[in-house]
Amino acid sequence: DTGVSQDPRHKITKRGQNVTFRCDPISEHNRLYWYRQTLGQGPEFLTYFQNEAQLEKSRLLSDRFSAERPKGSFSTLEIQRTEQGDSAMYLCASSLVFPATQSGQYFGPGTRLTVT
Amino acid sequence: QKEVEQNSGPLSVPEGAIASLNCTYSDRGSQSFFWYRQYSGKSPELIMSIYSNGDKEDGRFTAQLNKASQYVSLLIRDSQPSDSATYLCAVKRETSYDKVIFGPGTSLSVIP
Repeated sequence: DTGVSQDPRHKITKRGQNVTFRCDPISEHNRLYWYRQTLGQGPEFLTYFQNEAQLEKSRLLSDRFSAERPKGSFSTLEIQRTEQGDSAMYLCASSLVFPATQSGQYFGPGTRLTVT
Repeated sequence: QKEVEQNSGPLSVPEGAIASLNCTYSDRGSQSFFWYRQYSGKSPELIMSIYSNGDKEDGRFTAQLNKASQYVSLLIRDSQPSDSATYLCAVKRETSYDKVIFGPGTSLSVIP
């Protein structure tokens, strides 16, 4: 399977704990995005990378969130000191940059986080 | 004003009818436009992309773009119960530093 993969698929954690999620993009894609989605809402942009460079981080994100893509391949998203409001589906997507006509994003299955 | 807005749902259409989904966006610099389908409990799936004004057809789906009006739509012909899902509109600039912004989605229900 050459699609986007995410791990774990589900995570239940207690408030105050740290969690880390992993995303493996489609191998030839150089752009990688992280989104958060809650029930009834569209995906909310968190951050994105082009190769290993983090190009933008949402102003909505607190300093408890950090993401890395150390070698321009897989990426990790860490949430420190989790809060109940962090409960959501965390989605990863990847895309090409060029040509523009092939820049649509392909999503992984998501990681469902529940903070108790 | 939200960056990407979609017509509020849920939208219900009978099987075989045309479903029309609408989206407006605020950033005139947007150059690429996408429609995603999301089944309940699943992640979004890219179904259409459009980059220039006019219509683009792919099977039962037609995307329509009017950059002057900052409007993009998706028509689903001969709607099937399997089309029942949430449809997300997304827009993107085409610059070195851009990101994709999603609308809130429109829930479509096709009634047999």
